[in-house]
Amino acid sequence: KNEVEQSPQNLTAQEGEFITINCSYSVGISALHWLQQHPGGGIVSLFMLSSGKKKHGRLIATINIQEKHSSLHITASHPRDSAVYICAVTSNTGNQFYFGTGTSLTVIP
Amino acid sequence: GAVVSQHPSWVICKSGTSVKIECRSLDFQATTMFWYRQFPKQSLMLMATSNEGSKATYEQGVEKDKFLINHASLTLSTLTVTSAHPEDSSFYICSARDFGHLFANTGELFFGEGSRLTVL
Repeated sequence: KNEVEQSPQNLTAQEGEFITINCSYSVGISALHWLQQHPGGGIVSLFMLSSGKKKHGRLIATINIQEKHSSLHITASHPRDSAVYICAVTSNTGNQFYFGTGTSLTVIP
Repeated sequence: GAVVSQHPSWVICKSGTSVKIECRSLDFQATTMFWYRQFPKQSLMLMATSNEGSKATYEQGVEKDKFLINHASLTLSTLTVTSAHPEDSSFYICSARDFGHLFANTGELFFGEGSRLTVL
């Protein structure tokens, strides 16, 4: 069983739709990261969370430490949001990383 | 914001040759950098943790003599794939932590653009 589980694996949405990607983890963490990987491969760190909620533009990330669960929301989705979104956690020892398998998002115009 | 630069972004080489990939933190000092490998349609796999001024820490199953890591300065780590073979063809990515004023375990991660290696 993976330490980090993401759902869904694949997601297709119409432009403008509200999107949610979920992440559950089973280890003790010091931080949770949401990453975005574009088709070319480059990765951008969207959020780093240890509690609560963060917002950046149309992106919102929440984390519930007690339930070991995080969600990434995209409001008013756009085709340029099409990418693979990866959830990753940093262990509470600091130098271990666990990655989800990613959610491939396609937003159709 | 903090930037991590990786070079080269892609490389094609003959089997048996060695390939060096560089990872630089451009506007912050990174005492720790991380190297990952990604196979097609799979997530990132941590290969090793690169520590400035000391030996790298390799994950289980990663051959340290095959994947040489050097972290000679606070802004540069290199990964050398020695005697590369076609099965080493993959996408290699580095990341670095910008601790700033944060606690050591929660420094924000920044990723390089990745290096696609193809071994013929």
